[in-house]
Amino acid sequence: GAVVSQHPSRVICKSGTSVKIECRSLDFQATTMFWYRQFPKQSLMLMATSNEGSKATYEQGVEKDKFLINHASLTLSTLTVTSAHPEDSSFYICSASPGMSLTYEQYFGPGTRLTVT
Amino acid sequence: SQELEQSPQSLIVQEGKNLTINCTSSKTLYGLYWYKQKYGEGLIFLMMLQKGGEEKSHEKITAKLDEKKQQSSLHITASQPSHAGIYLCGADGAAGNKLTFGGGTRVLVKP
Repeated sequence: GAVVSQHPSRVICKSGTSVKIECRSLDFQATTMFWYRQFPKQSLMLMATSNEGSKATYEQGVEKDKFLINHASLTLSTLTVTSAHPEDSSFYICSASPGMSLTYEQYFGPGTRLTVT
Repeated sequence: SQELEQSPQSLIVQEGKNLTINCTSSKTLYGLYWYKQKYGEGLIFLMMLQKGGEEKSHEKITAKLDEKKQQSSLHITASQPSHAGIYLCGADGAAGNKLTFGGGTRVLVKP
């Protein structure tokens, strides 16, 4: 099956610093990548959708200047949490899809646990 | 926007017993996905349902989508400790494959 990796798996950063999370599709080209956020004991919340070579589409309530998404190639998308604060601490999961239509499945990465101290 | 409600929120079952999780949508489902998540890890795809009345099985897990395509159930037969985790239903809307997730059901299987 298709494999999606995330790096790092865990990161601890100090308040005010920025942290970058990478999402890679290892054995397929991902036309679309999605970034989700999951709070403890809660479900996944879609943050943004990104298509290779174009700007990400952010969900309502998600600050695009705080959560910078770059989808520079068909196998890599990055999420940068800028000027992180403790409330940004969360589990971030990406998913990748080889297409944009309903017939394409999303493949999820293993997640990145971000802790902001 | 589409909302998905899962029930129950959590479930503790004795090993060997059956369990059922429900996922109800406020709108017609175009595609309904079931995922399993182990605590602190990514999602594992289980099954996808698209047609009204569709039923799929994999090993001891069966998922169904009702005829009206607004409700799905996930049934595990003779549960084992390996079935423990969080089960999430997800649905995509008419516009594309943007998934909305239900709140999740936390399953614990007692040996």
